[in-house]
Amino acid sequence: RKEVEQDPGPFNVPEGATVAFNCTYSNSASQSFFWYRQDCRKEPKLLMSVYSSGNEDGRFTAQLNRASQYISLLIRDSKLSDSATYLCVVNRGSASKIIFGSGTRLSIRP
Amino acid sequence: NAGVTQTPKFQVLKTGQSMTLQCAQDMNHNSMYWYRQDPGMGLRLIYYSASEGTTDKGEVPNGYNVSRLNKREFSLRLESAAPSQTSVYFCASSDPLQRNTGELFFGEGSRLTVL
Repeated sequence: RKEVEQDPGPFNVPEGATVAFNCTYSNSASQSFFWYRQDCRKEPKLLMSVYSSGNEDGRFTAQLNRASQYISLLIRDSKLSDSATYLCVVNRGSASKIIFGSGTRLSIRP
Repeated sequence: NAGVTQTPKFQVLKTGQSMTLQCAQDMNHNSMYWYRQDPGMGLRLIYYSASEGTTDKGEVPNGYNVSRLNKREFSLRLESAAPSQTSVYFCASSDPLQRNTGELFFGEGSRLTVL
């Protein structure tokens, strides 16, 4: 079993829709959590950190559930430019313990 | 405003050949990393350098060596390339990781094919 698991998708949704991704992690010692975005054939870039209280950045909302060991990302009013792969990242507190999920591919159609 | 620069961007090797991937960052970061990304596998850590003068193995170090030449530069060497090393390689850097921070800044990637 992978330490960080994501539904690979693809999620294919119309523009303006709301879409949610989940990510589960297996190690309860995990300390911090992130969502990265990766465009096709490009490098990953930080989208947002995920805090226990939940956090929002414009159309994006991230949630953390430590008891159930999952992280979620909600995208409201999706845009064509949101089409990308979204990577869930878990940090167990050291450089060697940053674990990337394999990503969820999102495609927004007009 | 270069950030993290990797060279080369593309390379084709024959089995058994050697090569070095170069990485440099201009953000004065202490920590640097080499990852590989394969379809369906996510990014996997090959080696990292928490600070100048130190290097450590990551999840998949076999077949690779690294050198932290100075604070700016971190190179990855394949001594005898194998087809299993066909992948996209990303270099990244960060400030020392702290709780609830830890943004990694990635280079644009190096696409390596081993025939």
